[in-house]
Amino acid sequence: AQKITQTQPGMFVQEKEAVTLDCTYDTSDPSYGLFWYKQPSSGEMIFLIYQGSYDQQNATEGRYSLNFQKARKSANLVISASQLGDSAMYFCAVGGTASKLTFGTGTRLQVTL
Amino acid sequence: DTEVTQTPKHLVMGMTNKKSLKCEQHMGHRAMYWYKQKAKKPPELMFVYSYEKLSINESVPSRFSPECPNSSLLNLHLHALQPEDSALYLCASSHPARGLNYGYTFGSGTRLTVV
Repeated sequence: AQKITQTQPGMFVQEKEAVTLDCTYDTSDPSYGLFWYKQPSSGEMIFLIYQGSYDQQNATEGRYSLNFQKARKSANLVISASQLGDSAMYFCAVGGTASKLTFGTGTRLQVTL
Repeated sequence: DTEVTQTPKHLVMGMTNKKSLKCEQHMGHRAMYWYKQKAKKPPELMFVYSYEKLSINESVPSRFSPECPNSSLLNLHLHALQPEDSALYLCASSHPARGLNYGYTFGSGTRLTVV
């Protein structure tokens, strides 16, 4: 079984500032992947970044980076230089050997001027 | 083509109606998924098809009937739904042989309202 916890239901950040969205997880799979998705109000789930459980280095994709602390079962998303278009719902998810994703409850990010 | 296309985008149906949701991808992905997302909630897995065979059914009521007629197409047949089935239905695909790090590609969803 897999469980994802996102403790921040809502976050505000000023434009051009960095923001960290928290995610902790629990899984019984020995090998797993951690994902972050962005969901704007239109509904589409947009893939942002992936971290494998055996990856030694933290993943980065443009302005997105994943702060992976395996011992603490933590996979926080860092967005640098926030933009107004970053306002959306953000979901952390874990995928295991069964190839299915389990999502956290999400964090709604609002970027302000 | 790197998209998952879902039709229709919006659907309103009565409780006695029969309707179908359609999902199509041409990325060569051999795993396809249906997720249900209620308002202000995360997506919840309903079904997984792997190489056109149903591999996971997350105890979904029989009024939802999935079908995978070929490797590019996934349908969700709806019959005798209840108002509480109103939700965003998301389709996704992945390439199981390539592993998790290629991620899942989601469609933009079908917003279903049952009246």
